[in-house]
Amino acid sequence: DVKVTQSSRYLVKRTGEKVFLECVQDMDHENMFWYRQDPGLGLRLIYFSYDVKMKEKGDIPEGYSVSREKKERFSLILESASTNQTSMYLCASIRAGTGELFFGEGSRLTVL
Amino acid sequence: QKEVEQNSGPLSVPEGAIASLNCTYSDRGSQSFFWYRQYSGKSPELIMFIYSNGDKEDGRFTAQLNKASQYVSLLIRDSQPSDSATYLCAVLHTDKLIFGTGTRLQVFP
Repeated sequence: DVKVTQSSRYLVKRTGEKVFLECVQDMDHENMFWYRQDPGLGLRLIYFSYDVKMKEKGDIPEGYSVSREKKERFSLILESASTNQTSMYLCASIRAGTGELFFGEGSRLTVL
Repeated sequence: QKEVEQNSGPLSVPEGAIASLNCTYSDRGSQSFFWYRQYSGKSPELIMFIYSNGDKEDGRFTAQLNKASQYVSLLIRDSQPSDSATYLCAVLHTDKLIFGTGTRLQVFP
């Protein structure tokens, strides 16, 4: 089975802190994604990557950056966390040719 | 106009009934369409995908696609309380999925 693992299920951070969210997939997928999910707004794409060291902005990249040093690992970075970044963050990888997304369990971030 | 639109619900149906979930999309060139189910507190999981006009059936689930009307739907036959969840419609757009905001389905005994 495809497995997408997110490093932290729940995090509480303070405003201004730097936050790292890690994601690892074990199926050799090329493309990986970071979404955030908020009530009433659905899933919104933050960044995606289609290869090592490659990244593309999604719909809401402001306040975020990403890193993809290895194919299996895609990290989301909040350089200076703010309260409006309190959200559920979902990492996903996609099976090539099918469009099927596999999601991690999510990381619920609270910024105080 | 949002790229993928769904009624947020909740859609309430009695156990055993057919639940009908609808989705419209704006990009006429879209080719691939997906339905995901998301239980509260969990991440989305794929139920079905459909590429061609018409119906596609998988067990109690039927996906329907009408590209001319830019409309995709999901029918759940013999609805069960365990089907209560949020259903997300998604459209593949240049190697990334665009999601609707989801429809919450409630199946009551």
